[in-house]
Amino acid sequence: GAVVSQHPSWVICKSGTSVKIECRSLDFQATTMFWYRQFPKQSLMLMATSNEGSKATYEQGVEKDKFLINHASLTLSTLTVTSAHPEDSSFYICSASPGQGKKQYFGPGTRLTVT
Amino acid sequence: GENVEQHPSTLSVQEGDSAVIKCTYSDSASNYFPWYKQELGKGPQLIIDIRSNVGEKKDQRIAVTLNKTAKHFSLHITETQPEDSAVYFCAASTDFGNEKLTFGTGTRLTIIP
Repeated sequence: GAVVSQHPSWVICKSGTSVKIECRSLDFQATTMFWYRQFPKQSLMLMATSNEGSKATYEQGVEKDKFLINHASLTLSTLTVTSAHPEDSSFYICSASPGQGKKQYFGPGTRLTVT
Repeated sequence: GENVEQHPSTLSVQEGDSAVIKCTYSDSASNYFPWYKQELGKGPQLIIDIRSNVGEKKDQRIAVTLNKTAKHFSLHITETQPEDSAVYFCAASTDFGNEKLTFGTGTRLTIIP
């Protein structure tokens, strides 16, 4: 139980284009989903927290107009990187929590390469 | 906000020996401390976690200890095996994980056969 999937697992896009990453909780309802970014050989840094039906809360320094997060249902959250640039190339990981007092379950990550 | 420090950054141990990784946190409100194992190109995998109302937790070869007074917690892996080689991250959170996780900087553990 408690499986989180991400799609795609890897994506290559050209500079200036947008790319959407999906995060799904497969066997539970996720009231809260989190998006992390991880650069090579570095730790995970939280980008934003989203609650179903509400606007995402972004961490300081994360551009909300560049990283659009939609948590439209209790099993799906999407991260759209708009006008991607090479410096956005990173490993994007989502996690999901069933609710208050519950732990987070992580997805397998999405490798984004912007050329 | 919370700050989590992790040591060492790299650790090599002989197969069969024990490995210990230590973390300290700054926010006394943190009450949940998970440990994750991350293999190359994969998402983090929860290996063990501990809540602030417990001082120690063990699961087979893996154990975690928590000292709330000193604000530090440690991961202990006994009888290490080659498949234990990976990067390990500690983290801290409030609300037992439903709030944001603050991660440590990671420890690259290498088991020498």
